[in-house]
Amino acid sequence: EVQLVESGGGLVQPGGSLRLSCAVSGFTFSSYDMHWVRQAPGKGLECVSAISGDGGSTYYADSVKGRFTISRDNSKNTLYLQMGSLRVEDMAVYYCAREFPPGGCDYWGQGTLVTVSS
Amino acid sequence: DVVMTQSPLSLPVTLGQPASISCRSSQSLVYSDGNIYLNWFQQRPGQSPRRLIYKVSNRDSGVPDRFSGSGSGTDFTLKINRVEAEDVGVYYCMQGTLWPWTFGQGTKVEIK
Repeated sequence: EVQLVESGGGLVQPGGSLRLSCAVSGFTFSSYDMHWVRQAPGKGLECVSAISGDGGSTYYADSVKGRFTISRDNSKNTLYLQMGSLRVEDMAVYYCAREFPPGGCDYWGQGTLVTVSS
Repeated sequence: DVVMTQSPLSLPVTLGQPASISCRSSQSLVYSDGNIYLNWFQQRPGQSPRRLIYKVSNRDSGVPDRFSGSGSGTDFTLKINRVEAEDVGVYYCMQGTLWPWTFGQGTKVEIK
């Protein structure tokens, strides 16, 4: 059974940092590109970042470029999102998702909530 | 960025009746390989998004056949053949052709 479990969310002050993790199981992690998608409270969905299966290619939305870093550890079957210089507008539920087939995400985690507030 | 525009944004439907959601992209979604990476997602209240349709018209495993997708170029449609109570939620189209992938605003489906 495919599972994606996010963790690491919480309350952080503006300007602070946080690292999200997404532990996966049930598939060969290194064979799939992975994504982080966020949803602000009561709002729609926004693709934040993506990474290729081998970690060699990364992609960012302009809204987070230079502040967020996506990475993965294929030996630990875990995806990460290092978030820095956090802003109130970064407050959202962050989902990790598997890309398959290309151009879309088939499996999603349950999400982890990031709250940015002083 | 590719702008995805959905209509309507709110869709009250009668149980057993059909429903249709439109999604228009600001530019062609045809990728260099000839595929159109247009997806449809359902998000029930309090749940993660669930993909229903990929590449315009392909249903994901376990998705009831009352859901269907169609379209080409820049105009796409999600149809629900006969709406059931479990179909209540917000539906999003999403393009995966050009980075950043972008979603429509969402269409809230509710029962009349």
